[in-house]
Amino acid sequence: QKEVEQDPGPLSVPEGAIVSLNCTYSNSAFQYFMWYRQYSRKGPELLMYTYSSGNKEDGRFTAQVDKSSKYISLFIRDSQPSDSATYLCAMSAPMDSSYKLIFGSGTRLLVRP
Amino acid sequence: EPEVTQTPSHQVTQMGQEVILRCVPISNHLYFYWYRQILGQKVEFLVSFYNNEISEKSEIFDDQFSVERPDGSNFTLKIRSTKLEDSAMYFCASSTERGLAGVRRTQYFGPGTRLTVL
Repeated sequence: QKEVEQDPGPLSVPEGAIVSLNCTYSNSAFQYFMWYRQYSRKGPELLMYTYSSGNKEDGRFTAQVDKSSKYISLFIRDSQPSDSATYLCAMSAPMDSSYKLIFGSGTRLLVRP
Repeated sequence: EPEVTQTPSHQVTQMGQEVILRCVPISNHLYFYWYRQILGQKVEFLVSFYNNEISEKSEIFDDQFSVERPDGSNFTLKIRSTKLEDSAMYFCASSTERGLAGVRRTQYFGPGTRLTVL
């Protein structure tokens, strides 16, 4: 079983739609969760980070963590064509003193005008 | 806004040659990392570096790889004898030492160096 799983997509939605992106994980030690956006052949750009369970909102983006289900989500409201990119989830465990991130494989999102 | 920079953006080399990839982390950050991403695959951790020493390295980071912080601003990754399978995007990242644990784990990535080994 992979440590972090993410549906590769592509996910195609019309402009203005609400987008839901998800990751599941197997390591119950993960407590820090990040979402990155990656445009083609560019570096990952940090969108949000959350700690443990709960929700966090930042503008059009909402991150949710359900530790009991080992499931995290990123919601994008009022999606725009400029949101078209690959979205990566990444995780880290508290006992991991190196702070290394374990990434999902990414979900490609296409927002159609 | 401060950002991580990397040079070169693209490096082409012959198999067996040495390459050095360079990174300038965000200026007040003290944790540094290298990751790689083979085309079409996930971003993979290579090594983390803090207080002038490696804090963790992955199985990928074998004796052919080394890292160095030669001065107060640069962080380098050296591959001693490149192989075809080293062809990938290499990303440098950094994070701050200050703040809560979640903030310290929040890593900021550079634009990457595309390494092509022929």
